[in-house]
Amino acid sequence: DVKVTQSSRYLVKRTGEKVFLECVQDMDHENMFWYRQDPGLGLRLIYFSYDVKMKEKGDIPEGYSVSREKKERFSLILESASTNQTSMYLCASSFGTGVMGETQYFGPGTRLLVL
Amino acid sequence: GDSVTQMEGPVTLSEEAFLTINCTYTATGYPSLFWYVQYPGEGLQLLLKATKADDKGSNKGFEATYRKETTSFHLEKGSVQVSDSAVYFCAVMNYGGSQGNLIFGKGTKLSVKP
Repeated sequence: DVKVTQSSRYLVKRTGEKVFLECVQDMDHENMFWYRQDPGLGLRLIYFSYDVKMKEKGDIPEGYSVSREKKERFSLILESASTNQTSMYLCASSFGTGVMGETQYFGPGTRLLVL
Repeated sequence: GDSVTQMEGPVTLSEEAFLTINCTYTATGYPSLFWYVQYPGEGLQLLLKATKADDKGSNKGFEATYRKETTSFHLEKGSVQVSDSAVYFCAVMNYGGSQGNLIFGKGTKLSVKP
């Protein structure tokens, strides 16, 4: 089974702190994604990566950055956390391109509270 | 751009009731369509998918048929159980960029009462 793990289930941070959210997948997937999930808004794509050291902006990249130094690991960074970044953050991965790359496998999520 | 509209919840049903969650999409070409489910306290997991018109995806008693003429992918189950209580997301694969990305609906929360 594909396993996507996220470093924390719950995090509480203060405004202005730098926050790192880590995601690791164990199935040698090329593609990795970071979403945030908010009530009434569904899932919105923040950043994604199709290869090591490669990244592309999603729909809402402002206030975030990412790092992918190794194929299995994709980190989301909040450079200076703000209260409007309080949310559930979901990481996902998928294999390759075309039809095989369409199914995404999700981690359990990190619920971040910024005070 | 591509988008997904699904019925707003919450939806509350009694056990063994029939379930329909409506989903319509806007997309160019022939995108693949998905239903994901999120159980309480968990991430999303794929429930079913369909990759071309008239395909029927099915899993765990749930079904959805890819209707290109009505741009719909409604989720149905004949007899729901308490364990089906979850949030359901409809999604379309968007190939607008160099790779495909999923576009999600806002989710529909289902509560099934015993």
